[in-house]
Amino acid sequence: EDQVTQSPEALRLQEGESSSLNCSYTVSGLRGLFWYRQDPGKGPEFLFTLYSAGEEKEKERLKATLTKKESFLHITAPKPEDSATYLCAVYSGTYKYIFGTGTRLKVLA
Amino acid sequence: SQTIHQWPATLVQPVGSPLSLECTVEGTSNPNLYWYRQAAGRGLQLLFYSVGIGQISSEVPQNLSASRPQDRQFILSSKKLLLSDSGFYLCAWSHGGSYEQYFGPGTRLTVT
Repeated sequence: EDQVTQSPEALRLQEGESSSLNCSYTVSGLRGLFWYRQDPGKGPEFLFTLYSAGEEKEKERLKATLTKKESFLHITAPKPEDSATYLCAVYSGTYKYIFGTGTRLKVLA
Repeated sequence: SQTIHQWPATLVQPVGSPLSLECTVEGTSNPNLYWYRQAAGRGLQLLFYSVGIGQISSEVPQNLSASRPQDRQFILSSKKLLLSDSGFYLCAWSHGGSYEQYFGPGTRLTVT
């Protein structure tokens, strides 16, 4: 059964303290892995798509990487405005997406 | 650019009442459309998806139904709401071979 597990569930960082969020997955035939940012009471905002192991994507202070079993979202020198829940999802075809439960990130000034 | 709208933003309904949530997409044609429910502490649960007008696939048997009367309109309905239908409902669209989904702002439904 396809499954996505995100860790940690919650993370508190000081401003400027870099860290990584983990997304472990088991899926039969990965077509894509996605990272989203979700602010409280709002819909998820698309960040990245990764298609194959070894691929990396960057956007401002965020960098996403992918291996055959997991993906990492690296946050470099975070700012308070990076505080949000970060969601990971996988797609294996036939319009079915499996989402993790997210990592709640809080960046303190 | 593409935009996705959902309404209403919030809704409080009594048990046993009907439900209609609407989602529309602008700036694209023939999108794939999805309805999700997000419960606290749980991942997004795919409820329905549609690849074209009148084509609806259900992922979870439940008290809800979906319809797609127009290319860029997706509606989530119920004839009689249950307490367990409370949650945050999200509409999303995708297009082409890139697979990524883009989400609407969501509807917070509270069934009392």
